[in-house]
Amino acid sequence: QQQVKQSPQSLIVQKGGISIINCAYENTAFDYFPWYQQFPGKGPALLIAIRPDVSEKKEGRFTISFNKSAKQFSLHIMDSQPGDSATYFCAAKVGSGTYKYIFGTGTRLKVLA
Amino acid sequence: GAVVSQHPSWVICKSGTSVKIECRSLDFQATTMFWYRQFPKQSLMLMATSNEGSKATYEQGVEKDKFLINHASLTLSTLTVTSAHPEDSSFYICSARSRLGDSPLHFGNGTRLTVT
Repeated sequence: QQQVKQSPQSLIVQKGGISIINCAYENTAFDYFPWYQQFPGKGPALLIAIRPDVSEKKEGRFTISFNKSAKQFSLHIMDSQPGDSATYFCAAKVGSGTYKYIFGTGTRLKVLA
Repeated sequence: GAVVSQHPSWVICKSGTSVKIECRSLDFQATTMFWYRQFPKQSLMLMATSNEGSKATYEQGVEKDKFLINHASLTLSTLTVTSAHPEDSSFYICSARSRLGDSPLHFGNGTRLTVT
């Protein structure tokens, strides 16, 4: 129940296309859902995040869609660029005073020029 | 804002020696820091939660005597890999969250440890 399932494992998209990465969870105690972008040899960087009382959040070319009833959330990258090529992790936070982040297995995105 | 600095970025050590990795929150105070280990092309595996002024909480399967964590102040946590062996070679990443409000988790740039 502590898992966050992420798909696909890898994704190839043409420049200008839309990249879509999906995550699903079981634990209804999760209360915060961030997405991280990681380049090789670097730590993950926060991209965008959403709370379960919001169905969609958009920041620039990045959009999170959240379906609370289905326990699913997804990241959409519009107008994908070669510079977006990286590994993307979804995550979920559980707990408040004592808390923990659970990460998905990651999606390696490659955007072709 | 919300910068987490990790040092060193890479280190090579001989088998049997100990290595210390530092994690600092540069512009915020963090009562809690997290240490992760990441194998090539895999996800982040939480090793332990570092709490300022108290003992760290280790995840199941992580040897607390092997991976010593100290969180001496609100801006500094250290991970010491003791008696390192080649199988400890990995990418170690720390993260921290501001104690103020409901803020996200920010990561350091990681430390590539190679044990020869």
